[in-house]
Amino acid sequence: GAVVSQHPSRVICKSGTSVKIECRSLDFQATTMFWYRQFPKQSLMLMATSNEGSKATYEQGVEKDKFLINHASLTLSTLTVTSAHPEDSSFYICSAREGQGIKDTQYFGPGTRLTVL
Amino acid sequence: AQKVTQAQTEISVVEKEDVTLDCVYETRDTTYYLFWYKQPPSGELVFLIRRNSFDEQNEISGRYSWNFQKSTSSFNFTITASQVVDSAVYFCALTPYSSASKIIFGSGTRLSIRP
Repeated sequence: GAVVSQHPSRVICKSGTSVKIECRSLDFQATTMFWYRQFPKQSLMLMATSNEGSKATYEQGVEKDKFLINHASLTLSTLTVTSAHPEDSSFYICSAREGQGIKDTQYFGPGTRLTVL
Repeated sequence: AQKVTQAQTEISVVEKEDVTLDCVYETRDTTYYLFWYKQPPSGELVFLIRRNSFDEQNEISGRYSWNFQKSTSSFNFTITASQVVDSAVYFCALTPYSSASKIIFGSGTRLSIRP
């Protein structure tokens, strides 16, 4: 199956710093990538949808100025948590989809665990 | 409303027992996909199955089986002869046609298999 990677897998940073997380589709071109957040012992919540070359679409309640998403190429999307605070500590998971349709499979990355001190 | 309900928060069984994880969904769409994912302690989501709304055939894959019943809006997952390696959080999920392919996850069921 298709492979999606995330980097870094784990990051610890100080409050107030910005953190960038990369999501790459390794063996296919992803027209659409999704970013999810998962708090401990909770479900995955969609944060935003990004299409290559256009602005991301954010879900209600997600601050677009705090969570900057860039999908500059068909194989790379980045999520930057700006001025991170302890409440941003979470597990961030991306997924990538090759096609545009509902029947196209989303492939999930392994996740990035962010801890803000 | 479009949502997925997994009423069982945690289940613990002894190894070799059979266990069924329940999933009930709501959607106004007639076309949709249902999924099951496994999330082991490492955190990575493991895809188990995808079912479209027009295919009500039950599926069996080794020790895993799925029962899709549109009449009750349920998509239950059974593990036969459970093993310790099956311990994980299992998520049921839904993608309605009108959702622009967004996946709506249930709250998950934490399954513990005791030796």
